[in-house]
Amino acid sequence: DAKTTQPNSMESNEEEPVHLPCNHSTISGTDYIHWYRQLPSQGPEYVIHGLTSNVNNRMASLAIAEDRKSSTLILHRATLRDAAVYYCILVGWGTYKYIFGTGTRLKVLA
Amino acid sequence: NAGVTQTPKFQVLKTGQSMTLQCAQDMNHEYMSWYRQDPGMGLRLIHYSVGAGITDQGEVPNGYNVSRSTTEDFPLRLLSAAPSQTSVYFCASNPTGGKDTQYFGPGTRLTVL
Repeated sequence: DAKTTQPNSMESNEEEPVHLPCNHSTISGTDYIHWYRQLPSQGPEYVIHGLTSNVNNRMASLAIAEDRKSSTLILHRATLRDAAVYYCILVGWGTYKYIFGTGTRLKVLA
Repeated sequence: NAGVTQTPKFQVLKTGQSMTLQCAQDMNHEYMSWYRQDPGMGLRLIHYSVGAGITDQGEVPNGYNVSRSTTEDFPLRLLSAAPSQTSVYFCASNPTGGKDTQYFGPGTRLTVL
């Protein structure tokens, strides 16, 4: 299973953009890049996912490098409610195994 | 839709006791899975199922059994609980695999004394 590497923690000021990086140098051609976040005492929740092209939704944007060996989750204006652990996960199209790493703990400063 | 539901929310067991954690989803998803999360750690996959009657092992399957008799339900059984199984357990479902969103339940906090 392909692995991802993320910084342990990051800080951001409220209402500023946040760029959360993820390295996945062993990604295969059929791996989707998923991002989930986990708020304190809750189950993970879906943020965004993509395959090759950049993706936008109401929560965030996902920028995928041209060689697909890295990606960046972009929160356009961080709020206090965005403080969470963010997980970058590779999931094969034909498989189902989500392998979570330890993620990035995002702290948002008021 | 209720989404993914789990019962109980909290449970305390003594070493050697058995119990079943319940998980149900009402979204007609084929894929379901169980994870455990230890303090300060990410989630680890215990078992998963790609449809009724089909299950497979994840990263940490020892000490746990599963079955999938219906699309909706995916119970996790602890046959003889051990303190090392103290953790928060999450159930999840997914319509078709990697290209789709996975939905997580609220979790069951289990303590084994």
